[in-house]
Amino acid sequence: LAKTTQPISMDSYEGQEVNITCSHNNIATNDYITWYQQFPSQGPRFIIQGYKTKVTNEVASLFIPADRKSSTLSLPRVSLSDTAVYYCLVGPLNTDKLIFGTGTRLQVFP
Amino acid sequence: ETGVTQSPTHLIKTRGQQVTLRCSSQSGHNTVSWYQQALGQGPQFIFQYYREEENGRGNFPPRFSGLQFPNYSSELNVNALELDDSALYLCASSHWTGDPTDTQYFGPGTRLTVL
Repeated sequence: LAKTTQPISMDSYEGQEVNITCSHNNIATNDYITWYQQFPSQGPRFIIQGYKTKVTNEVASLFIPADRKSSTLSLPRVSLSDTAVYYCLVGPLNTDKLIFGTGTRLQVFP
Repeated sequence: ETGVTQSPTHLIKTRGQQVTLRCSSQSGHNTVSWYQQALGQGPQFIFQYYREEENGRGNFPPRFSGLQFPNYSSELNVNALELDDSALYLCASSHWTGDPTDTQYFGPGTRLTVL
């Protein structure tokens, strides 16, 4: 499965837009890009998933350029409750396993 | 809420003991995966069960074993516990249909401490 690289941590303030970029230079043709959110002592929660271009749901947007070697998770107008670790995963989603990196720790300040 | 439940919430064991963790899948899901998450790290895949058969395994020793029952609930068993087994153990369920967008839904985890 493709290896991903994302910032270790990010800080933001309430009401701001947060963009977390993930690099996946070795992404394969049949790989999808998925983002999970995890709060302390809880399981990861699926946020958004995409293959190419832009995907938007009620929580976030996912931007994927044409070469698919990176992706950006965009969280509009974050609140304190968005403080969490965000994981970028790349791989075929019908695989037997998800491969998590160390994620990006987002801290939102008042 | 994902509908995936795990028990117990917390557990303390000593080295050399054995432990059984339980997971109840989301209704309608036929696949369950187990992950180990050490403090400050991302979850690491242990194994997956599909229709009561092991369907893939990560880099974990044989003392990590599992079961999936006809109702698709699951157990993770760890024998001869070691200090490094202290972690959050996560169960994730999904409904495998062959669609590449099948999503895994995680439970809240069981925090295991080995003393």
